[in-house]
Amino acid sequence: EPEVTQTPSHQVTQMGQEVILRCVPISNHLYFYWYRQILGQKVEFLVSFYNNEISEKSEIFDDQFSVERPDGSNFTLKIRSTKLEDSAMYFCASSEKDRANDEQFFGPGTRLTVL
Amino acid sequence: RKEVEQDPGPFNVPEGATVAFNCTYSNSASQSFFWYRQDCRKEPKLLMSVYSSGNEDGRFTAQLNRASQYISLLIRDSKLSDSATYLCVVHQIGTSYGKLTFGQGTILTVHP
Repeated sequence: EPEVTQTPSHQVTQMGQEVILRCVPISNHLYFYWYRQILGQKVEFLVSFYNNEISEKSEIFDDQFSVERPDGSNFTLKIRSTKLEDSAMYFCASSEKDRANDEQFFGPGTRLTVL
Repeated sequence: RKEVEQDPGPFNVPEGATVAFNCTYSNSASQSFFWYRQDCRKEPKLLMSVYSSGNEDGRFTAQLNRASQYISLLIRDSKLSDSATYLCVVHQIGTSYGKLTFGQGTILTVHP
């Protein structure tokens, strides 16, 4: 069964450093998303991406964040200068269509720890 | 008021029990509704979509009451493997279709 993959599974970084989280969405999917989940809290939407453009972003997704689809398979989330409060689980998701009831498939997540 | 609100639990039930989870949402323009399941430190996985007419998938039954802005999930004949966090998820009209809004989750533990 096709699945979304994410690397690395765990990333430890120093405050102020840049990190890039990588995702490979399901191959025939066209819509891509990033969510995050701070430990013990709810899953929060960060950004949606389609046709090489951001469709929507949340208040969390400030200038420190960027997304990119550098090639036909990868979808990346970059945090330019990490802060302690960026420590969280980051989930990538993809969907085939942009319909309200279309299932989003989530990757296993990258646990980011900022020291 | 939280956009999507759930009783966090935890619910501790014996195998074979029936358990019900409730969820309320604040935005009446919400369009689509889902229950996701999340195992500890894992990704959310779609359990079922929720339709106005109510829908059932094996031991799981979901109900939606748009007038009350209320969603429920009923699990019958609980199994040990049902132990997880159950996430109420809503999509709202007027946003990107991909923007899902999650509740904080309800923790279920099924014991022998």
